[in-house]
Amino acid sequence: DAGVTQSPTHLIKTRGQQVTLRCSPKSGHDTVSWYQQALGQGPQFIFQYYEEEERQRGNFPDRFSGHQFPNYSSELNVNALLLGDSALYLCASSSRNSPLHFGNGTRLTVT
Amino acid sequence: ILNVEQSPQSLHVQEGDSTNFTCSFPSSNFYALHWYRWETAKSPEALFVMTLNGDEKKKGRISATLNTKEGYSYLYIKGSQPEDSATYLCAFIKSNFGNEKLTFGTGTRLTIIP
Repeated sequence: DAGVTQSPTHLIKTRGQQVTLRCSPKSGHDTVSWYQQALGQGPQFIFQYYEEEERQRGNFPDRFSGHQFPNYSSELNVNALLLGDSALYLCASSSRNSPLHFGNGTRLTVT
Repeated sequence: ILNVEQSPQSLHVQEGDSTNFTCSFPSSNFYALHWYRWETAKSPEALFVMTLNGDEKKKGRISATLNTKEGYSYLYIKGSQPEDSATYLCAFIKSNFGNEKLTFGTGTRLTIIP
């Protein structure tokens, strides 16, 4: 049984570009949450998707958007990249009342 | 903005010694508290899900307690081993619906000295 898988593992982009990160949840999970972890900080909540809709959103600008597909997989899109967007992006899946299961993350570097 | 604080930020412990660290969270509208262990080059792994005041959970040499009235949880590690070296994250859920967003603390980085 595959756990949460994220792709790509590493990515280097230039300021102003756009990026798409992908996540496949653990089998049986219907909810996907995205987190950003900058150096020296705990994971910061970006948003959560359930039933193909954004259910909750953290304190991130509209440049951060997402999508959930009928198979529960999800994408995180970031437009107009800034240097400060460099971070580890974690995807976590869950079902009701379960703890989060995390993927290994995508390390994004913006130059 | 919810404030979830963990202390200390980092900790060095001699192998075989026991240790503990703290997670503080808002005491109002409590729903659940999670503890995760995050080893280098791996993804965070759930240790405990705690929901009731006075809860005490145990997994091998690791245990956790919960005080929702005063807003804190302790994580204890007995007889530390090198494989316990990791960052320990707590995460607070404020909701009565469950499955809502978790607010993470910044973590306690534990290093076990052989």
